[in-house]
Amino acid sequence: GAVVSQHPSRVICKSGTSVKIECRSLDFQATTMFWYRQFPKQSLMLMATSNEGSKATYEQGVEKDKFLINHASLTLSTLTVTSAHPEDSSFYICSARSSRGNSYEQYFGPGTRLTVT
Amino acid sequence: AQSVTQLDSHVSVSEGTPVLLRCNYSSSYSPSLFWYVQHPNKGLQLLLKYTSAATLVKGINGFEAEFKKSETSFHLTKPSAHMSDAAEYFCVVMRNTGGFKTIFGAGTRLFVKA
Repeated sequence: GAVVSQHPSRVICKSGTSVKIECRSLDFQATTMFWYRQFPKQSLMLMATSNEGSKATYEQGVEKDKFLINHASLTLSTLTVTSAHPEDSSFYICSARSSRGNSYEQYFGPGTRLTVT
Repeated sequence: AQSVTQLDSHVSVSEGTPVLLRCNYSSSYSPSLFWYVQHPNKGLQLLLKYTSAATLVKGINGFEAEFKKSETSFHLTKPSAHMSDAAEYFCVVMRNTGGFKTIFGAGTRLFVKA
């Protein structure tokens, strides 16, 4: 089956620094990738949708200057949390949608736990 | 508009007894429905999906779900719970009309008692 990886799985950073999270589709090409944020004991909240080679579409309330998304290739999207603060601590999950086959298929990465101290 | 309602935030069962996790949806279009499981600090794993084929869908680990259009439901069941089933379960609707959209339910935490 299709595999999506995320790196790193866990990261701790100091307040004010920036952190980059990578999302890769390992065995398929992803025309669209999604970034979600999950607070403890809550459901996933869509942050943004990125299409390869174009600007990401951010959901209402998500700061695009704070959460920079780049979808440079059909297998890689990155989320950079700029000037991180403790309230940015969360579980970030990406997913990828295949460019072929069942158009409803969406494959999720294992998530990245970000802790800002 | 599409929405997903998971009717129980928590479900507790004893090991070996049946599991029922309830999900109702509303959709203006023919929906594609999914159940995902999430273990602590892990990503989402697909359990099963309904995409307008057979209404009774069998998934992994003994789970199955039945799409009932008249009741707008897609409840997840398993005949006999295992301790390893303890996790968070999400009912998800996806549509690809007028733009791709994924709607998550709030999740149901399944507890399994020994």
